[in-house]
Amino acid sequence: DAGVIQSPRHEVTEMGQEVTLRCKPISGHDYLFWYRQTMMRGLELLIYFNNNVPIDDSGMPEDRFSAKMPNASFSTLKIQPSEPRDSAVYFCASRMQTGPGSEQFFGPGTRLTVL
Amino acid sequence: AQSVTQPDIHITVSEGASLELRCNYSYGATPYLFWYVQSPGQGLQLLLKYFSGDTLVQGIKGFEAEFKRSQSSFNLRKPSVHWSDAAEYFCAVVPDSSYKLIFGSGTRLLVRP
Repeated sequence: DAGVIQSPRHEVTEMGQEVTLRCKPISGHDYLFWYRQTMMRGLELLIYFNNNVPIDDSGMPEDRFSAKMPNASFSTLKIQPSEPRDSAVYFCASRMQTGPGSEQFFGPGTRLTVL
Repeated sequence: AQSVTQPDIHITVSEGASLELRCNYSYGATPYLFWYVQSPGQGLQLLLKYFSGDTLVQGIKGFEAEFKRSQSSFNLRKPSVHWSDAAEYFCAVVPDSSYKLIFGSGTRLLVRP
């Protein structure tokens, strides 16, 4: 298995532009998570899905952020409009529905820089 | 407040020396406990986890961790560190059945030759 796939690996954009980050979870996994990692705030959970349905989006910072999961093999995290404070590494993770103790598998992350 | 605390931001050890990374949590019940490692420019990889049973758990890469309920701690150990262990280490908990993984702030491990 190729693991969790994220694209792009690096994104540089200008303030005000729309940014779309993409994630392909591991096949057969029922849960998908989006995290953000910054020096100031560490690793934060933004949103997670179960069977393509958003379950908890309480970590989404504001309305500029949105996430979708149109099918079991694809999810997007969109920022519109982007701001410099959105610069961070964004991770996607997936796991099977076998209880809270099962492992989350992380993708390599997308490093976003907003100028 | 509920939290996961890693009190050491940086730790430097010599290659071959032993290592202990500290983690404390403040949740009412025993949560599900994890240690992840993040190498530079990489995603996170699970080292080990605990949710019941034997309080000393073995993980990958020669790491182990001990759960101590009385101290609300889940410290990570390795008897002999290798240069390739230099990375950032995160303690994390799932405090309930919500599936939400809450991370500590991380400890960056530096290994002296």
